[in-house]
Amino acid sequence: AQKVTQAQTEISVVEKEDVTLDCVYETRDTTYYLFWYKQPPSGELVFLIRRNSFDEQNEISGRYSWNFQKSTSSFNFTITASQVVDSAVYFCALQGGKLIFGQGTELSVKP
Amino acid sequence: DTEVTQTPKHLVMGMTNKKSLKCEQHMGHRAMYWYKQKAKKPPELMFVYSYEKLSINESVPSRFSPECPNSSLLNLHLHALQPEDSALYLCASSQDQGFNEKLFFGSGTQLSVL
Repeated sequence: AQKVTQAQTEISVVEKEDVTLDCVYETRDTTYYLFWYKQPPSGELVFLIRRNSFDEQNEISGRYSWNFQKSTSSFNFTITASQVVDSAVYFCALQGGKLIFGQGTELSVKP
Repeated sequence: DTEVTQTPKHLVMGMTNKKSLKCEQHMGHRAMYWYKQKAKKPPELMFVYSYEKLSINESVPSRFSPECPNSSLLNLHLHALQPEDSALYLCASSQDQGFNEKLFFGSGTQLSVL
């Protein structure tokens, strides 16, 4: 069975703090893709990153970074120096046939 | 143009009404999706169209009827809905239906069934 677990339901930080959103997945497939999407209050999900199962390189994009560790089946997302505009629900997702979302982490960044 | 446009943004309907949700993209994507999202929950896949043909129906009740008139448009026809069908309905598109594809989402239609 395929599953994505985001254990943190809600996180609240003060602006400029660093924050890490955890994602743990389960799959028996050897080839799969992992994604992060952001859902701001406006409703649309916005694609942030895609990583395939053969590429364990970490990635940094501005204030965002992702740590993919196949050994622990984790794909964590860190926001450095958080800003109020980062407030949103963040979904980790696994694609191995059909896209399976985690339950989401609601991040609130307070000024 | 990297937008997926959904109309209407909000819809209130009675259980005997018939209404339609519309979705449009002009990115040349060949796969289009309908998702249903309840508050504080992740999106749930309802339907997938690939090259204008229905390829996935996730056992959705027949009161929801999808339609893909052409490669840019996707409709969801609603009839005799129940109050528990109240949710955010999201449309998405992708270049193709491969499992490495990233999805582009619209901002959704917030549906209330009275």
